[in-house]
Amino acid sequence: DAKTTQPTSMDCAEGRAANLPCNHSTISGNEYVYWYRQIHSQGPQYIIHGLKNNETNEMASLIITEDRKSSTLILPHATLRDTAVYYCIVTHTDKLIFGTGTRLQVFP
Amino acid sequence: EPEVTQTPSHQVTQMGQEVILRCVPISNHLYFYWYRQILGQKVEFLVSFYNNEISEKSEIFDDQFSVERPDGSNFTLKIRSTKLEDSAMYFCASWGQELWQYFGPGTRLTVT
Repeated sequence: DAKTTQPTSMDCAEGRAANLPCNHSTISGNEYVYWYRQIHSQGPQYIIHGLKNNETNEMASLIITEDRKSSTLILPHATLRDTAVYYCIVTHTDKLIFGTGTRLQVFP
Repeated sequence: EPEVTQTPSHQVTQMGQEVILRCVPISNHLYFYWYRQILGQKVEFLVSFYNNEISEKSEIFDDQFSVERPDGSNFTLKIRSTKLEDSAMYFCASWGQELWQYFGPGTRLTVT
């Protein structure tokens, strides 16, 4: 599976959009981009995934660049409950390899 | 919203003892997983299970570990002889037609 690179931490004001970047320059054609988050020590929670098109669901939007070498997760209106570690995972199988993720702190 | 459940939420055991961690995956899911997270470290894949057999396992999943689906609803992880370094959060996950994994809340295993 392709390696991903994410910033260690980010801050976001409550109510503003949180844009979390992920680099996956070695992604191959059959690999999906998945985003999960982990709030404190809870089980990881699925957010969104995509192959090459941009995707949106009730939680977030996923923007994948045309060359697929990077992506951005967008939380349109961050709340305090969105404070968590966000993981970008690239995989073509069902096995999830978690990195260290981005610790997002949403402040009032 | 469907959910994966795990019991117990916290298990304390002495080194050398056997433990069984239990999970109830989402009812129509066919693929099951165990992950673990040592405090302050990454979430690590342990094993995947499909059609009553292991489909993939990591290097961590040695002979001390085993998994079983004893009935139509439970999925268990057994550690035969626990070591101090087995202390971690253990997460069960299941996968269905949605193309993503649902994780349970985890079992905190403390080996003393």
